[in-house]
Amino acid sequence: DGGITQSPKYLFRKEGQNVTLSCEQNLNHDAMYWYRQDPGQGLRLIYYSQIVNDFQKGDIAEGYSVSREKKESFPLTVTSAQKNPTAFYLCASSPANRLNTEAFFGQGTRLTVV
Amino acid sequence: SQQGEEDPQALSIQEGENATMNCSYKTSINNLQWYRQNSGRGLVHLILIRSNEREKHSGRLRVTLDTSKKSSSLLITASRAADTASYFCATAPANAGGTSYGKLTFGQGTILTVHP
Repeated sequence: DGGITQSPKYLFRKEGQNVTLSCEQNLNHDAMYWYRQDPGQGLRLIYYSQIVNDFQKGDIAEGYSVSREKKESFPLTVTSAQKNPTAFYLCASSPANRLNTEAFFGQGTRLTVV
Repeated sequence: SQQGEEDPQALSIQEGENATMNCSYKTSINNLQWYRQNSGRGLVHLILIRSNEREKHSGRLRVTLDTSKKSSSLLITASRAADTASYFCATAPANAGGTSYGKLTFGQGTILTVHP
């Protein structure tokens, strides 16, 4: 099946630890995105990438890092510098450099700090 | 920052009734999209309306766009219990180029509950 796969579904992090969230897509999309969702809130953009080996900060990039070494993969690392990491993280993809295109979302990773 | 503001924040109706959700935004857009999210899941795209369109239909969904008022509405007709979900509007910026294509800004969503 074509789509976006996020793993794990649930993740627990101890204080001071870095954790990496996985996002893989087989839709042949150039663009990939990471969003954060807090309870009862909309989505806020963390990082996005339009092409391999290139990415840009979104609205709330502090405390996060990404890499884009392969077209299919866009992992997100939540570092110890992120003071309030407990949230629902959503990865999305879309064809790049095209207007009027929808985004395709994964099923999300729920991160909890313990 | 949040581009879209949605109204109401929560809506509770009976099966068979219509549900209307509204979205307002602040800056010029290329298109506006509506997404649905079931509890604890990812978002699913419902419909996209371009800035030069005023109304669009898809099945039981009807979307309107008023760029002069910077607002949109989503109407779900003959609602079903399975329509229970959160609904988000998202805007794509006008004059997007280079790295801005596809960069969406989401509203805070409307929680719709449809009672059987």
